[in-house]
Amino acid sequence: DVKVTQSSRYLVKRTGEKVFLECVQDMDHENMFWYRQDPGLGLRLIYFSYDVKMKEKGDIPEGYSVSREKKERFSLILESASTNQTSMYLCASSLVGGGAEQYFGPGTRLTVT
Amino acid sequence: GIQVEQSPPDLILQEGANSTLRCNFSDSVNNLQWFHQNPWGQLINLFYIPSGTKQNGRLSATTVATERYSLLYISSSQTTDSGVYFCAVIRDDKIIFGKGTRLHILP
Repeated sequence: DVKVTQSSRYLVKRTGEKVFLECVQDMDHENMFWYRQDPGLGLRLIYFSYDVKMKEKGDIPEGYSVSREKKERFSLILESASTNQTSMYLCASSLVGGGAEQYFGPGTRLTVT
Repeated sequence: GIQVEQSPPDLILQEGANSTLRCNFSDSVNNLQWFHQNPWGQLINLFYIPSGTKQNGRLSATTVATERYSLLYISSSQTTDSGVYFCAVIRDDKIIFGKGTRLHILP
C-alpha cells in the first residue's frame, strides 16, 4: 500500500513565523503535490514537483515556497505566516504519466494566530 | 479550465438506504478518482476509474467518459459512510476536484 505521511496533524503558529510542513511518500513516486482545503473553496493546488529539485507553481503559490531535495520528501514553506494561511494542508503523490492515481496524506490543520 | 460539478451537494439518508452521487465534467480527461474524506480530514481513495464499472463491497462506480460523467453508488448505507465524497478528474498529471457531496447517514 502507498503511504504518504505528513509531519504534523495539528500545528499552531504565530503571525510572521516561518513554517515548514513536511511530506514523505514511500512508493518511489515521481510526482508530489501540496494542496490547501478551505470551506467553500474546495481543494486548491499550491505547488507540485515532477522530480528532485524541480517545482512548478500551482493555482495559489503566493506566500509559499517548496523544496524537494530527495525524491521521497516534499516540503512546503510559509516564509512569513499570516492569518489567511490558516487552513488544512494536504500532500499527495503519484507516478508520472498523464493521469496516474493520486494518494493523499492525512493532512495538517494549521492555525496561524 | 475543466469544470467538475457534483450533485447533490448534501444528502441525508436513513441507515440502510441506497444512494447515487453524480459527477459531471466539462472536457476530456485522462482519468477520474472518487474519494471519501473522513471526519479527521483524510482523503481515502475509493475508485480510480477512467471508464467502465468497478465494485468494492457496498460501493460501486461507473464512468461514461464519452458522456463526461461518473456515478458513485452506495448500497445499504451505514453511519460510517457519513462524510464528504469528492470526485476528481486528472488531466496531464493535474487533479481537479469537485466541491463534494456531503452525506449524512442517520442511525
